[in-house]
Amino acid sequence: EAQVTQNPRYLITVTGKKLTVTCSQNMNHEYMSWYRQDPGLGLRQIYYSMNVEVTDKGDVPEGYKVSRKEKRNFPLILESPSPNQTSLYFCASSLQGGTRFFGPGTRLTVL
Amino acid sequence: DAKTTQPNSMESNEEEPVHLPCNHSTISGTDYIHWYRQLPSQGPEYVIHGLTSNVNNRMASLAIAEDRKSSTLILHRATLRDAAVYYCILRVSGTYKYIFGTGTRLKVLA
Repeated sequence: EAQVTQNPRYLITVTGKKLTVTCSQNMNHEYMSWYRQDPGLGLRQIYYSMNVEVTDKGDVPEGYKVSRKEKRNFPLILESPSPNQTSLYFCASSLQGGTRFFGPGTRLTVL
Repeated sequence: DAKTTQPNSMESNEEEPVHLPCNHSTISGTDYIHWYRQLPSQGPEYVIHGLTSNVNNRMASLAIAEDRKSSTLILHRATLRDAAVYYCILRVSGTYKYIFGTGTRLKVLA
């Protein structure tokens, strides 16, 4: 089944404790991206990657890092999480010009 | 960048058609219009997209104004499972960039 998977789905952590949210797709898509969703602000793009080893900032990249060492994986790294990064995070992938497939979401709470 | 404007919320009765409007008056000539929806506790999912002509698929129809400054997503017979937030999105031609609006929350009444 074609899908985007994210892990973990739920995470509660404390300020400053490094964490990684994994994202994997099985559709051989070149493009992958990360979004955060906050009430009243909609979906905002954090980072995106157009292929292996090619990444770029989206609209709200501060406090986040990404890497794209393999085509199927695009982890999101929070080196020192803060409470303002409490949010619902979505990973997505697509072919160029194609339909975007979204993962199920990761709900992160930073205390 | 162009942007989209949608009503915050709409209601519909079950089994009736629903017309969800979207304004994108600053759209560029080659931007594609996409619609996605987000069911409760899920990620957004693709509904339909188009460039200039009206489009139909098994989920919905997309009516695009002749000047392309607005479009309407049409659900022909709303069901309770169609209750979701519907996003009208512009995809900038030649790029991967999506411009998300804040969406319309559709409530379907039994």
